[in-house]
Amino acid sequence: DIQMTQSPSAMSASIGDSVTITCRASQGISNYLLWFQQKPGKAPERLIYGASTLQSGVPSRFSGSGSGTEFTLTISSLQPEDFATYYCLQYDSYPRTFGQGTKVEIK
Amino acid sequence: QVQLVQSGAEVKKPGASVKVSCKASGYTVTDYGVTWVRQAPGQGLEWMGWISSHNAKTDYAQKFQGRVTMTTDASTNTAHMELRSLKSDDTAVFYCARDYYGSLGDYWGQGTLVTVSA
Repeated sequence: DIQMTQSPSAMSASIGDSVTITCRASQGISNYLLWFQQKPGKAPERLIYGASTLQSGVPSRFSGSGSGTEFTLTISSLQPEDFATYYCLQYDSYPRTFGQGTKVEIK
Repeated sequence: QVQLVQSGAEVKKPGASVKVSCKASGYTVTDYGVTWVRQAPGQGLEWMGWISSHNAKTDYAQKFQGRVTMTTDASTNTAHMELRSLKSDDTAVFYCARDYYGSLGDYWGQGTLVTVSA
C-alpha cells in the first residue's frame, strides 16, 4: 500500500498568512493526488485534483503543486473560513490512501 | 444539480450488520463509481472501498475485506454499503463520494452516523 505522510499535523496561523501543507507519498504517484478541506460536522470538500487543478468554485488563494512523491497545498492569504482540517489522498493505485490530516487553527 | 443523499443515522448492537444507502440525483449512478469513506469520532478519513460504474467491480480496503459489500442499484439510482459483524470501533460517520476513474470526491453525501453499542 502507498503511505501518505502529511505535515504538519496541526498548525496555528493568522488571517492573511500564507500556509503550506506537505504530503509525501511512499512511492511515486505521478500527479494522482487530491486535496480536501473538512470542517467540523461536515463532509469533505475537494479543493484540488490532479495535484494542481483547482476545483471549480474554489477560491484562487488555494493552489496545489508537486509530482511523484512530494506535494504541497498552499493557501496564499488565509481567510476566516479556511480554518479547517485538510487531507491529501492518492488515487494512483488501490487501496486509495489518505494522509492523516492537517488541522489549521487560528493563532 | 448533482446531489448524494444518504440514509439516516443507525444504532446497532455488536455483531449486527448495517446497510447505508446513498441516493444520487442529477446524474446516473452507473455512469460514475462510488467510493465509501469512514471517519471515526475525532479521527481522520479512511478509504473503505470503491464500486465501479461499469461492471460493478469492487475494490475493498484489506481491513474491511470479508465484512463489507458495496452495490449499486440502477433502478433507484442508489449505491449501498453493507458492513457486517459490527464492533464498537466501527462507530463512525460513513460517507459516499462520487468517483470518476479514481478522481473522487467532487460530490459527497452528507454522511451517516453509525453507532455500535451494546
